[in-house]
Amino acid sequence: GNSVTQMEGPVTLSEEAFLTINCTYTATGYPSLFWYVQYPGEGLQLLLKATKADDKGSNKGFEATYRKETTSFHLEKGSVQVSDSAVYFCALSAETEKLVFGKGTKLTVNP
Amino acid sequence: DTAVSQTPKYLVTQMGNDKSIKCEQNLGHDTMYWYKQDSKKFLKIMFSYNNKELIINETVPNRFSPKSPDKAHLNLHINSLELGDSAVYFCASSPRGGYGYTFGSGTRLTVV
Repeated sequence: GNSVTQMEGPVTLSEEAFLTINCTYTATGYPSLFWYVQYPGEGLQLLLKATKADDKGSNKGFEATYRKETTSFHLEKGSVQVSDSAVYFCALSAETEKLVFGKGTKLTVNP
Repeated sequence: DTAVSQTPKYLVTQMGNDKSIKCEQNLGHDTMYWYKQDSKKFLKIMFSYNNKELIINETVPNRFSPKSPDKAHLNLHINSLELGDSAVYFCASSPRGGYGYTFGSGTRLTVV
């Protein structure tokens, strides 16, 4: 079946550091890929998405590129801020339309 | 405001009770979902309805019964609550095709 594997963390960085959160997937067909963010005590918000190979999703300084050859969708940000502290979820959506999530990566950014 | 709203936000109840969580979306989406987030933050789909029709029913105990009176509402009723049901339950909706999910803010259920 479809699945998503992401680095589990937790990840702790200093402000302005570079962030990478790895995400790989297994899916039949051609899934759409997503990153969601969950701030403390809140629901999930869509951070960015990519619907086909080589697409790059970007939002709020975060980027991820859909790599079909490596089945990956790694999340990156060049300079993190304290306000980026949250749990980040990689997810895919295939033919059934349901979202399959990775286990989440907790990011803490210290001033 | 256009959104997915679910109530209540917090629910504390005793084992054995029956409770309901309500969800409404005013985004005009065709599909609605219930997801469960456990204590380790792992998210798993429970149910999906498209235009009032059940289309996904994952391995969920029969004590959980979704009800969709119309395509803008998807409620979750839970019978005979157990300690292991304690979790955060998220409602979500999406247009046909599954793109552009919008999540509610969650209901934190605590069974004591």
